[in-house]
Amino acid sequence: DIQMTQSPSSLSASVGDTVTITCRASQGISSHLSWYQQKPGKAPKFLIYAASSLQSGVPSRFSGTGSGRDYTLTINSLQPDDFATYFCQQGYSPPFTFGQGTKLEIK
Amino acid sequence: QVQLQQWGARLLKPSETLSLTCTVSGGSFSGYYWSWIRQPPGKGLEWIGDINYNGNSDYNPSLRTRVNISVDKSKNQFSLNLRSVAAADTAVYYCARGRGYGDFWGQGTLVTVSS
Repeated sequence: DIQMTQSPSSLSASVGDTVTITCRASQGISSHLSWYQQKPGKAPKFLIYAASSLQSGVPSRFSGTGSGRDYTLTINSLQPDDFATYFCQQGYSPPFTFGQGTKLEIK
Repeated sequence: QVQLQQWGARLLKPSETLSLTCTVSGGSFSGYYWSWIRQPPGKGLEWIGDINYNGNSDYNPSLRTRVNISVDKSKNQFSLNLRSVAAADTAVYYCARGRGYGDFWGQGTLVTVSS
């Protein structure tokens, strides 16, 4: 199985800040990487696919980069609605594993 | 807008079979893979498996001996069966569209396994 190591596991930030979350795969995944946002009691929301493509309707303050084993999600100018848990998922090889999540909290 | 609506039994006893069904509306059913993913309370996400319109399925090796995913093309539905459940199978179960990603998700079903 491909292991996805996500960091940090938690993060405190203020409205207006820029934050970065990283995911490292245990092997190269050729940009087959998605990012999700999840709020308590809700299903994950699809944000980014193919490492850097923004899903329709997702604000442009969200962006993704990366290649090979290393990927990042950046959120610019944090808004109150952005405080949530974020997950990455590799779609390169089954089983399609997820990172353990990053909880973004208000400072 | 694509919508996934899921349902099934929410309380099971150990050794019983978990059965959930997901109905897809508002979009094409063919041409996509359809997935099941679960999330134990307070924990991360685990891919269970997926299936396509033609019934080709793939499963997480950690669950392969107990899981079956099927499709009913006539009803735009796909289903999850997980046999011999135990307390460790207590989780919110989600259906989703996509293989290796999920762009549309069901609302989630909390399935509790308890004697």
